[in-house]
Amino acid sequence: GNSVTQMEGPVTLSEEAFLTINCTYTATGYPSLFWYVQYPGEGLQLLLKATKADDKGSNKGFEATYRKETTSFHLEKGSVQVSDSAVYFCALSDRSGGSNYKLTFGKGTLLTVNP
Amino acid sequence: DAGVTQSPTHLIKTRGQQVTLRCSPKSGHDTVSWYQQALGQGPQFIFQYYEEEERQRGNFPDRFSGHQFPNYSSELNVNALLLGDSALYLCASRWLAGGSGEMNTQYFGPGTRLTVL
Repeated sequence: GNSVTQMEGPVTLSEEAFLTINCTYTATGYPSLFWYVQYPGEGLQLLLKATKADDKGSNKGFEATYRKETTSFHLEKGSVQVSDSAVYFCALSDRSGGSNYKLTFGKGTLLTVNP
Repeated sequence: DAGVTQSPTHLIKTRGQQVTLRCSPKSGHDTVSWYQQALGQGPQFIFQYYEEEERQRGNFPDRFSGHQFPNYSSELNVNALLLGDSALYLCASRWLAGGSGEMNTQYFGPGTRLTVL
């Protein structure tokens, strides 16, 4: 079945530092890949996505590139802000095996950015 | 453009009771999925509804059931509550007929926090 493994946190950075959160996946089909962000006490917000190999998703200064050869979708940001403090989830969805686009999530990575 | 809405925000129940959670999908969306997020974990897929029918189900017991209405809104029902059912319940919607970029993209509501005592 499908699975997502992401870097375990917590990750603590200073403002303006570079961020990388690693994510690798296992899928039987050709999945779409997502990063969702969850701020304290809130639901999930879609941060970015990529639907095929070599696609780069980007939003709010965050980027991730769909690497089929390494089955990875690492999240990066060049300069983090205090407001980026949240939990980040890597996820995939596909239609293989009747999964019908259900999302499979990683366990999440807590990011704390200090001023 | 209204996003996904859920009610109630918080709920406290005791073991053995039954609960109903509600979800209205994003405008234009026709497919609703429910996820359970235990504290400190990633969301786990419960089931998905389309055209008022359950189309796919995750690894959850029959105590978890759902319904979708003609206006695409949905309910999640949990019977015989256990302490382990305490979690954030998330509803997500998508547009099945959307183009390749959208049909596989789910948007989440703020969730309902269920506490079972």
